[in-house]
Amino acid sequence: ETGVTQTPRHLVMGMTNKKSLKCEQHLGHNAMYWYKQSAKKPLELMFVYSLEERVENNSVPSRFSPECPNSSHLFLHLHTLQPEDSALYLCASSQRSRGPEYPNTGELFFGEGSRLTVL
Amino acid sequence: RKEVEQDPGPFNVPEGATVAFNCTYSNSASQSFFWYRQDCRKEPKLLMSVYSSGNEDGRFTAQLNRASQYISLLIRDSKLSDSATYLCVVYSGAGSYQLTFGKGTKLSVIP
Repeated sequence: ETGVTQTPRHLVMGMTNKKSLKCEQHLGHNAMYWYKQSAKKPLELMFVYSLEERVENNSVPSRFSPECPNSSHLFLHLHTLQPEDSALYLCASSQRSRGPEYPNTGELFFGEGSRLTVL
Repeated sequence: RKEVEQDPGPFNVPEGATVAFNCTYSNSASQSFFWYRQDCRKEPKLLMSVYSSGNEDGRFTAQLNRASQYISLLIRDSKLSDSATYLCVVYSGAGSYQLTFGKGTKLSVIP
């Protein structure tokens, strides 16, 4: 069983559809992330959940809505997307220290991604 | 200036060659540095951390120059399996969740 699994692997949706991406981590980590990877752009951090609370939201449009019901599961709800939202959406997890005084190891474990195409 | 900048390549090198990738970062307060590897149509995976004193892992050597805000990755004796995109990643500091990724440098090792 892989450490971080994402479903679906591929998704095609119209601009009026509502769909969700799912991520599950089996590593016992306490933080989960959504990243967006577009062609010729660096990975963009969308959302972070640590201890099931959303910690950072980098001004992502409201048509993307994350949900983290527990430390192992993360969802990204999609509605009324635009064609420019077509990209690879990567989920990741990490083990973060409980206090800001301890450095992050910097190791993220990524899922294989959900490739989204918006028509 | 972009936060993390890399030469996008592609670098096309023959097997056995030595190849070096460079990366510059703009935030002088950055604390930790990493190289990730991403194979075609796969997820990124941590290749190695970059320490101030420089570090080596087999054929891979990473170096950091804080004064110049510059990171490098050297691959010796390139293998076909080294073909991938190499991502320079910078962590801005304790308490932050922000790992900033470069666009990546694509390497193709040719038989």
